[in-house]
Parts: sequence; C-alpha cells; structure tokens
Amino acid sequence: EIVLTQSPGTLSLSPGERATLSCRASQSVSSSYLAWYQQKPGQAPRLLIYDASSRATGIPDRFSGSGSGTDFTLTISRLETEDFAVYYCQQYGSSPLTFGGGTKVEIK
Amino acid sequence: EVQLVESGGGLVQPGGSLRLSCAVSGFTFSDHYMDWVRQAPGKGLEWVGRSRNKANSYTTEYAASVKGRFTISRDDSKNSLYLQMNSLKTEDTAVYYCARADRWSAPFDYWGQGTLVTVSS
Repeated sequence: EIVLTQSPGTLSLSPGERATLSCRASQSVSSSYLAWYQQKPGQAPRLLIYDASSRATGIPDRFSGSGSGTDFTLTISRLETEDFAVYYCQQYGSSPLTFGGGTKVEIK
Repeated sequence: EVQLVESGGGLVQPGGSLRLSCAVSGFTFSDHYMDWVRQAPGKGLEWVGRSRNKANSYTTEYAASVKGRFTISRDDSKNSLYLQMNSLKTEDTAVYYCARADRWSAPFDYWGQGTLVTVSS
C-alpha cells in the first residue's frame, strides 16, 4: 500500500499569499497518477488537479500541481477567500487507492 | 448534468447491517467505474471499494478494512450503485460518498453529497 504523507498539517496564510502544499509517497506513484482535492465543511471533495499537474475542468489557473515519483506539490499562487479549505492528495495508480491525511489552509 | 445522490444512511447497532444506494444521472452509468469513499467524523478520506465498468465485467475490489463484510453491486437498469454493509463496527461510522472514475487509473471527477452512517449501541 502506498502511504501518502501531507505537510504541513495546517497552513495559516492571508488572502493574496502563496500556498505551497506537499504530498510525499512511501513509494513511487505509477505514471504520476496523483490527484488533489479541495474539501469545504459539509461538502464533498472537489477534484482540482489530476495526473499530478493537469487542472480539472473549471479550476482557476491559480491552482497548479507539480512533481513526480514520490514528491508532489500543490501551489495556490494567490489565495482567494474561497480557497480556505482542506486539501487532500490521492494516488490512483495502484491498489488500494489511498489518500493523504490532508492539509488545512486557514485564514491567518 | 452529472449527479450522484446517496441514500440509506442512518443509525445501526454494532453487528448490524445497512444498505446504501447511489442514484446517478447525466452520464452512461455502465461506462464508468464507481467507488465508495468514506470519511469518519473530523477525519480524512478512506477508499472503501470499487465496481469496475461493464467492459471489465463489473468486477469489484475492496479495502482490507471492509473486505468480507462489505459488498458493492450495481443495477444499470436503475442507474444505481449499492453498498451492502454487514457486521458493522463502531469504526465504520462515517459519511459515505459514492464517486465516479473514468477507468482504473483515473481520479474521482464527480462525487455525491454523502450519507452518514452511525454505528452505535
């Protein structure tokens, strides 16, 4: 099983600042089959990034993903108020599918 | 418009059973992989299991934590996915989401709103 470790656990930032979230895998993620999801309280997760760096439909270009192998990053270039939420990474290249523990981006 | 709507959650005693449903619309159900993902209160996301699409004979796969207790099935005539949960434990308490994937190596592009299952005496 691929274990995904997200850091930091909580990120305290102000609107307009840049957010950098990390996701580290216990072994190489096949073909960069890694996704990032955003979840707000009481809502289902929403797909932001897939295949490590491709933006999902309708996702603003302030969200970007990068990385390969075991190290992946989600960057939010300039935080908007609606971006304060919990972010999860997920690998879908091998079974069982696994998620990271999440990073909460909160308003400073 | 793609929609996934879960139902069937509720309170059940440890050792009991419950069947969740996920009604879908807006896409060709038989073409897609369908998964269940759960989230315990205040915790992260956990993959529960998947039903492959018609082209892959609707075969299923499960997380180790639920294998042998949970069963995923689907009825294409009703555009519905099911999760039969038996021998429920308190640690199965969670919001259960159904989610769609295009194929095995694909992310979850659509999710339902979730249904809460509480296992407690």
